[in-house]
Amino acid sequence: DTEVTQTPKHLVMGMTNKKSLKCEQHMGHRAMYWYKQKAKKPPELMFVYSYEKLSINESVPSRFSPECPNSSLLNLHLHALQPEDSALYLCASSQEGGLQTYFGPGTRLTVT
Amino acid sequence: ELKVEQNPLFLSMQEGKNYTIYCNYSTTSDRLYWYRQDPGKSLESLFVLLSNGAVKQEGRLMASLDTKARLSTLHITAAVHDLSATYFCAVDGVIDSNYQLIWGAGTKLIIKP
Repeated sequence: DTEVTQTPKHLVMGMTNKKSLKCEQHMGHRAMYWYKQKAKKPPELMFVYSYEKLSINESVPSRFSPECPNSSLLNLHLHALQPEDSALYLCASSQEGGLQTYFGPGTRLTVT
Repeated sequence: ELKVEQNPLFLSMQEGKNYTIYCNYSTTSDRLYWYRQDPGKSLESLFVLLSNGAVKQEGRLMASLDTKARLSTLHITAAVHDLSATYFCAVDGVIDSNYQLIWGAGTKLIIKP
């Protein structure tokens, strides 16, 4: 099973809302990632969890809060977002040290 | 600075023609990845190139890697409309002791019937 799943597929939220994005993989990968992708741009790395510990936080605003409850799950908690945060949010996983990174289908987020 | 440069950034071509997308990178990485992305969709892994001289082919797409020149190519043979998509290359990078992918800007490929 080489699948990364993400929910929801689409999310529309107001600037005062709190929501969460969820990601799951069962490939035994110990590195999990959150990326943000704007239209016509490459993905931008937001967070990396390695062995369930946050190892990279690319200066992401605190209105984005990641959580890794266990080795298979990754959440991204959203609060007080801005319209410019509207984007495709991609979860990914890989073996420690890379080699092959698998991406989930993404969550299309719109902030109104 | 770790940089990955793709060219062209936009390519419009006719079906049946051949063309090549280039990916230059500044790291010493020996691993290079090609991904495809359809509009509004996620990234689909096409090729993983692991060593100098590596060549991989899948259908009408062929990717190669020259680590000495720090160059990878994605060659399209006898293009068909279904290959229209954005293609990204990426290389392994280590920043502050952390592994991450360094991405090119992407090449938007449009193939006209």
